[in-house]
Amino acid sequence: QVQLVESGGGVVQPGGSLKLSCVASGFTFSSYGMHWVRQAPGKGLEWVAFIHYGGSDEHYADSVKGRFTISRDNSRNTLYLQMNSLRAEDTAVYYCAKDPGDRAYWYFDVWGRGTLVTVSS
Amino acid sequence: QSVLTQPPSVSGAPGQRVTMSCTGSSSNIGAGYDVHWYQQLPGTAPKLLIYGYFYRPSGVPDRFSGSKSGTSASLAITGLQAEDEADYYCQSYDSSLSGSVVFGGGTKLTVL
Repeated sequence: QVQLVESGGGVVQPGGSLKLSCVASGFTFSSYGMHWVRQAPGKGLEWVAFIHYGGSDEHYADSVKGRFTISRDNSRNTLYLQMNSLRAEDTAVYYCAKDPGDRAYWYFDVWGRGTLVTVSS
Repeated sequence: QSVLTQPPSVSGAPGQRVTMSCTGSSSNIGAGYDVHWYQQLPGTAPKLLIYGYFYRPSGVPDRFSGSKSGTSASLAITGLQAEDEADYYCQSYDSSLSGSVVFGGGTKLTVL
């Protein structure tokens, strides 16, 4: 079945870095755009970033632009999120989510279970 | 505050029909971008419920339906069941500034 499994979350100090991974299975990963979406504790959903199926086009929310980098390795069916200069307000569950299209239909038809990132001293 | 506006909560008794709204503006829903709905059961990841205003993914019961009116969208649930108690989020795309996916703040559905 179609599945997304995130990993790499944890506790990091403000100003620190963390890299999240998302392994995909059950579909042709290299044919679809992918997103990261986050949810702060007790709060709503916030889109973070998108990457084109081939990795040649990226889009970011203003709140993370210049600090976060989305990337993918289609040979490993894996999506990444490199997070630098982390702030307390980046504390959230980070979800990997699949776009229904190769470029961007701008919605999410499959979600992972999420990985928790806590930014705290 | 969220770009898309949803009521914080709605409630209904088992078997009843409930609706929840999602109000946008000329840079998102009014600009022709689709609205999609997600259901988030307690402690779980969101799940796609409705896409393109009206369409249900395979496996979603036809008790769930979506509609559109001007710069707003609505989600209706008929034959309310206890397991429908969840948070519901609407989502679209906004063309203002650099462009971005936008969500509503979510509506908590309580089944009485």
